[in-house]
Amino acid sequence: EVQLVESGGGLVQPGGSLRLSCSASGFSFDSYALFWVRQAPGKGLEYVSAIRGSGTRTHYADSVKGRFTISRDNSKNTLYLQMSSLKPEDTAVYYCVKGAYYESNTGYFDYWGQGTLVTVSS
Amino acid sequence: QSALTQPRSVSGSPGQSVTISCTGTSSDVGGYTHVSWYQHHPGKAPKLLIYDVNERPSGVPDRFSGSKSGNTASLTISGLQADDEADYHCCSYAGSRLFGGGTKLTVL
Repeated sequence: EVQLVESGGGLVQPGGSLRLSCSASGFSFDSYALFWVRQAPGKGLEYVSAIRGSGTRTHYADSVKGRFTISRDNSKNTLYLQMSSLKPEDTAVYYCVKGAYYESNTGYFDYWGQGTLVTVSS
Repeated sequence: QSALTQPRSVSGSPGQSVTISCTGTSSDVGGYTHVSWYQHHPGKAPKLLIYDVNERPSGVPDRFSGSKSGNTASLTISGLQADDEADYHCCSYAGSRLFGGGTKLTVL
């Protein structure tokens, strides 16, 4: 059974930093792309970032480019999202999502975690 | 890129059918076959319902079906059940991933 468990969310002040983690199990971790997708309160889902199976290729939404960094440790079956220069509009539930393929620039999302809430407020 | 357009809400009675639309442009929905749909019960993990416009993953009932015409994709749920009450999100590949604003389905 595929499981994705996010952690690291919380309350942070504007301009601050936070690192999210996603512990994965139930599949061959380094064979699949992984993603972060977020949902702000009362809004729809928003793609944030992607990383291919090997971790050698990453992609970011324009809204987070230069502020967020996605990475993965295939030896620990863990995905990360380092967030810096946080803004109130980054407030959202952040979901760890498994892609259906190795590459991140194709396919769909076949499994999601339950999400972790990040609140950016003073 | 703007988000894909979905109705904010739809409703139907048990046993009936409902269709949720997802409208984009020729640069996203109309230009790719990578349209997918997700069911989200609040507080739970979203679940894949449909991928590649009309393909169902194993375990998803055939009451759920997808289609596309031009720049609009659609999700049809037939034989509505109480547990179908949830939020539904469409997604298209467009160089990146583009989501719709989500549709709340109410089962009356």
